[in-house]
Amino acid sequence: AQSVTQLDSQVPVFEEAPVELRCNYSSSVSVYLFWYVQYPNQGLQLLLKYLSGSTLVKGINGFEAEFNKSQTSFHLRKPSVHISDTAEYFCAVSDLLTGGFKTIFGAGTRLFVKA
Amino acid sequence: DTGVSQNPRHKITKRGQNVTFRCDPISEHNRLYWYRQTLGQGPEFLTYFQNEAQLEKSRLLSDRFSAERPKGSFSTLEIQRTEQGDSAMYLCASSPTSGQPGDTQYFGPGTRLTVL
Repeated sequence: AQSVTQLDSQVPVFEEAPVELRCNYSSSVSVYLFWYVQYPNQGLQLLLKYLSGSTLVKGINGFEAEFNKSQTSFHLRKPSVHISDTAEYFCAVSDLLTGGFKTIFGAGTRLFVKA
Repeated sequence: DTGVSQNPRHKITKRGQNVTFRCDPISEHNRLYWYRQTLGQGPEFLTYFQNEAQLEKSRLLSDRFSAERPKGSFSTLEIQRTEQGDSAMYLCASSPTSGQPGDTQYFGPGTRLTVL
């Protein structure tokens, strides 16, 4: 069965510092991987996704993530964060066993950017 | 494109009552998903539809929960005999007509249910 582990529940960071939000998944088959962001009082929106091809995926707002099959990881990074990046970030996975449509989410990482 | 809408945004009910939520997906999106999100957790998959067909239902979904999408457009999620443990945010999402695995899901704002 699929599962997603987000290794940090909260990540405080100073503005303009780099950040990495960690995500590990488990699945026995090929996977699709996603990062979603949830700003306060807003719905989830997609940051980026990995379907196939290049393991480095670039998303919106300067975020990127790298798919590492051997380590079953999909960590999210940003070289310089802004106050406006303060939000909850969710890693998610779906796989071909479930037709690629059933998506399993991690528990989330709360990113708090301090001035 | 007005996005995914959900109604009501908030619902307070007493234990034992039935509640129904509605989701209107983005026009022409043929896949529709329901999730439940409790405080401090990520969204938990409940079920999804392709057009009017319900293709998968989570084993976590008890018999008190039922979802429909009668004409392949809007969907309803009904919870019968609500329990305090049903208190959560109920999220709806839709994905485009191409229906390919890995299609982006577009989420609505959610319906927050409080069971007293």
